[in-house]
Amino acid sequence: SYELTQPPSVSVSPGQTARITCSGNALPNQYAYWYQQKPGQAPVMVMYKDNQRPSGIPERFSGSSSGTIVTLIVSGVQAEDEADYYCQSADSSGSIGVFGGGTKLTVL
Amino acid sequence: EVQLVESGGGLVKPGGSLRLSCSASGFTFSAYGMTWVRQAPGKGLEWVSFISSSSRSISYADSLKGRFTISRDDARKSLYLQMDSLRAEDTAIYYCARDSPTDGYKVWGQGTLVTVSS
Repeated sequence: SYELTQPPSVSVSPGQTARITCSGNALPNQYAYWYQQKPGQAPVMVMYKDNQRPSGIPERFSGSSSGTIVTLIVSGVQAEDEADYYCQSADSSGSIGVFGGGTKLTVL
Repeated sequence: EVQLVESGGGLVKPGGSLRLSCSASGFTFSAYGMTWVRQAPGKGLEWVSFISSSSRSISYADSLKGRFTISRDDARKSLYLQMDSLRAEDTAIYYCARDSPTDGYKVWGQGTLVTVSS
């Protein structure tokens, strides 16, 4: 079955830039989406269609895509950004969804 | 206000069945596809199933092996997940999400907990 691969953890100091990658063979042909999840809460979308930011999401969140890798970038990380982040996409047929394993962003 | 509210979770014995519901409000339910996502305790998100608007297209995660059935009732603005032959590994919080080809899972419910245990 199709898989998306994320690093288990990323750590940055406040004010620095965090980059969370997600790799998958179908990503050149399928959009990627990113979700932030804090403990005990439902996920919240922070990026859609690779690099589109939903309304209400701070401008420090951005996304990029290059071949089989998509990246969520958090510039000027703040303590409130500490959370689990999941990338999501679909297989090559577009009919089966898939999530990456998640990345825990720690703000030192 | 756009909202999704799941219900129907609870404790069930292995081999048992459970039907989850997701009630929608604040948007035109019939115009959207809907997806179920689950999260086992301490684990990541797992995509479960999708149903398109008008129920024309339905898909499931391979791991479910035909045990789950997704459906919808547009008149009741509700989404359902019938879960049969439940196993301990199905223990999870089950979320419903509004699914759009333009903006993905922008709306989520708060989740309902399913515990499979004897």
